[in-house]
Amino acid sequence: QKEVEQNSGPLSVPEGAIASLNCTYSDRGSQSFFWYRQYSGKSPELIMSIYSNGDKEDGRFTAQLNKASQYVSLLIRDSQPSDSATYLCAVILSTYNNDMRFGAGTRLTVKP
Amino acid sequence: NAGVTQTPKFQVLKTGQSMTLQCAQDMNHNSMYWYRQDPGMGLRLIYYSASEGTTDKGEVPNGYNVSRLNKREFSLRLESAAPSQTSVYFCASKFGQGSSGANVLTFGAGSRLTVL
Repeated sequence: QKEVEQNSGPLSVPEGAIASLNCTYSDRGSQSFFWYRQYSGKSPELIMSIYSNGDKEDGRFTAQLNKASQYVSLLIRDSQPSDSATYLCAVILSTYNNDMRFGAGTRLTVKP
Repeated sequence: NAGVTQTPKFQVLKTGQSMTLQCAQDMNHNSMYWYRQDPGMGLRLIYYSASEGTTDKGEVPNGYNVSRLNKREFSLRLESAAPSQTSVYFCASKFGQGSSGANVLTFGAGSRLTVL
């Protein structure tokens, strides 16, 4: 079992809709979670980090963390065509504080 | 401010050849990483260096070696390249640990390696 699992998609939503991206992780002791966005042919860039259970909002993005269920999600409200990218979930493993693992990524397409 | 610089951006090797990917950061970060990215597999950690003088294996270290030359530089070496090592390689760095921006990775532009 991989440490971080994501649905590979692709996920397609119409412009203006809510996109929901999900991630599960296997290390129950993990404390630090991240969502990165990667445009085709580019490097990943950070969207959100979350460390506590509950929701964290930043503009149109909301990250949700449920440590009991080992589940992290990212909601994108009012989706725009410019949000079309691959979204990568990342987790720092508890065993070694600097071991950061990524999921396979979910490809999102927002259709005008 | 250059951030994380990787060289080369593109490289074609023949099976059995060796090469070194170079990475340097100018952000005074303590931790540095090498990932590879293959279609449908996300980023897989090859090796990382939590601080100058230390290196640790990630999930796919076989066939690779690393050197943390100093705080700024972290190189990845393929001693005998194989077609299975055809991939895009990303170097990344972060300042440190804890529930803060210190944990955010900054990535280089990537190095596309093809092994024939």
